[in-house]
Parts: sequence; C-alpha cells; structure tokens
Amino acid sequence: EIVLTQSPGTLSLSPGERGTLSCRASQSVSSNYLAWYQQKPGQAPRLLIYGASSRAPGIPDRFSGSGSGTDFTLTISRLEPEDFAVYYCQQYVSSPATFGQGTKVEIK
Amino acid sequence: EVQLLESGGGLVQPGGSLRLSCAASQFTFSSYAMGWVRQAPGKGLQWVSSLSNSGYSTYYTESVKGRFTISRDNSKNTLYLQMNSLRAEDTAVYYCAKSGIAFGGTINYFDCWGQGTLVTVSS
Repeated sequence: EIVLTQSPGTLSLSPGERGTLSCRASQSVSSNYLAWYQQKPGQAPRLLIYGASSRAPGIPDRFSGSGSGTDFTLTISRLEPEDFAVYYCQQYVSSPATFGQGTKVEIK
Repeated sequence: EVQLLESGGGLVQPGGSLRLSCAASQFTFSSYAMGWVRQAPGKGLQWVSSLSNSGYSTYYTESVKGRFTISRDNSKNTLYLQMNSLRAEDTAVYYCAKSGIAFGGTINYFDCWGQGTLVTVSS
C-alpha cells in the first residue's frame, strides 16, 4: 500500500499570498498517477489536478501541480477567499487507492 | 451536467446491513469505472471500493473485504454498495464518485462526486 503524507497539516495564509502544499509518497507513484482535491465544509470533494500536473476542466490557472516519483506539490499562486479549504492528494497507481490525510489552508 | 445522487444511508445497529445506491445521469454510465469513498466525522477521505465499467473487476480496501460488495446495473445507470456486518468504525459519509477516464483503469482518479449519504452504525 502506498502511504501519502501531506505537509503541513495546517497552512495559515492571507488572501493574495502563495500557498505551497506537499504530498510525499512511501514509494514511487508511477506514471504520475496523482490527483489533488479541494473540499470545503459540508461539501463533496472537487477534483483540481490529475496526472500530477493536469488541471481539471474549469479549475482556475492559479492552481498548479508538479512533481514526480515520491514528491508532489500543489501550488496556489495567489489565494482567493474561496480557496480556504482542505486539500487532499490521492494516488491511483494501484489498489488500494489511497489519500493523504489532508492540508487545511486557513485564513491568517 | 454530470449528476450522482446517493441514497440508502441511515442509522443501523452493529452487525446490521444497508445497501447504498447511486443514481447517475448526464453521462454514459457504462463507459466509466465507479467508486465509493467515505469520510468519518471530522476525518479525512478513505477510498472504499471501485468497480470497472463492465462490472467484472472489483477492488476493496482491506477493512471491508468480505463484508461489502460493490455492483452496478448499467441498464439503470445505478451503482450499489451492499454493506453487511456493519461496525461502529464504518460510520461515515459515503460518496459515490465517477472515474475520470472512459474505459480507463478501475483504480483511477475521480472527476465527479455525489453529495454523500450518511451511514451511522450505533446501538
């Protein structure tokens, strides 16, 4: 089973600042089969990024994904008020699919 | 717009059973693998199970193997999760989710999610 570890647990930032979220895998995520999701309270998760760096349709270009192997990053270039939420990474290389424990981006 | 509507959640005693349903619309259901993901109160996301577009290939997280069964009826555009021998630790919101690639791998990312149905296992 591939274990995903996200850091930091909580990121306190102000609107307009840049956010950098990390997702580290316990073994290589081949073919960059890694996705990122955003979840707001009381809502279902929303797909942001798949294939480590491809933005899902309708996702603003301030969201970008990068990385390969075991280290992946989600970057939010300039935080908008609606971006304060919890973010999860997920690997889909093999069963069991696994999620990271989440990073909460909160208003500073 | 793709829609996924879960139903069937509720309160059940330990050892009991529930069947969740997910009605899909506005996409070619039979072309996509589907899955269930759960979220315990105040916790993160946990993948539960996935099923290929044909229904022939299934995968489960270890803790539900032998207790849960995922299935689909492509003629009714509906996904199911039969949950037996329920435990307190199965208490969660259960989301139905659509894989992102038509005719892609059964284990995949999810590009569309339902709003979830709450399952509470308690005496």
